[in-house]
Amino acid sequence: GENVEQHPSTLSVQEGDSAVIKCTYSDSASNYFPWYKQELGKGPQLIIDIRSNVGEKKDQRIAVTLNKTAKHFSLHITETQPEDSAVYFCAASRDTNAGNSTFGDGTTLTVKP
Amino acid sequence: DTAVSQTPKYLVTQMGNDKSIKCEQNLGHDTMYWYKQDSKKFLKIMFSYNNKELIINETVPNRFSPKSPDKAHLNLHINSLELGDSAVYFCASSQAISGRAHVDINEQYFGPGTRLTVT
Repeated sequence: GENVEQHPSTLSVQEGDSAVIKCTYSDSASNYFPWYKQELGKGPQLIIDIRSNVGEKKDQRIAVTLNKTAKHFSLHITETQPEDSAVYFCAASRDTNAGNSTFGDGTTLTVKP
Repeated sequence: DTAVSQTPKYLVTQMGNDKSIKCEQNLGHDTMYWYKQDSKKFLKIMFSYNNKELIINETVPNRFSPKSPDKAHLNLHINSLELGDSAVYFCASSQAISGRAHVDINEQYFGPGTRLTVT
């Protein structure tokens, strides 16, 4: 089955700096890579996703890059703000598996004001 | 107008009891899921239901049984609760869209979670 590794497990940055979270996956057939943000006491919320036919996707301060050859993808947050502080999860799945995403172990991001 | 709702939000019970967690989605999605998040925040899928059919069961003990009375509901029943069952349980839903030669899966929407504490 799929195995997703996520690094780092904790990340602390100063407000305004950039934050990068990296994930690797093992199943070369995976073609859907979502990122979720989980705030304290809430459920995970999708913030951005990328499919294997695209190498990069950007949405305002958030961007995701995908390297299919190396089987890794990364989340980039620029100009971080205190409200970006949360646990971030990456995931990987095959579309044909009806949404059976394998999640990374999460990264706790702290943005210091 | 909550998209995915769960009840209860908190559940404290003793070992050996049987309990249920309810989940409802009003998004018209055809696939629903149950996840378990442990104290280390690791998120693991337990079940997935598509059009009322179980399509995933990730080596979860048979004390856990999902019940889907209709497409909008997926309830989780847990028998003979154990200390290790203490965790936050999340319900989620998504829409599978059949298109041409493949099935395009949209993103999952998660509920707010149910914190289960077994004493």
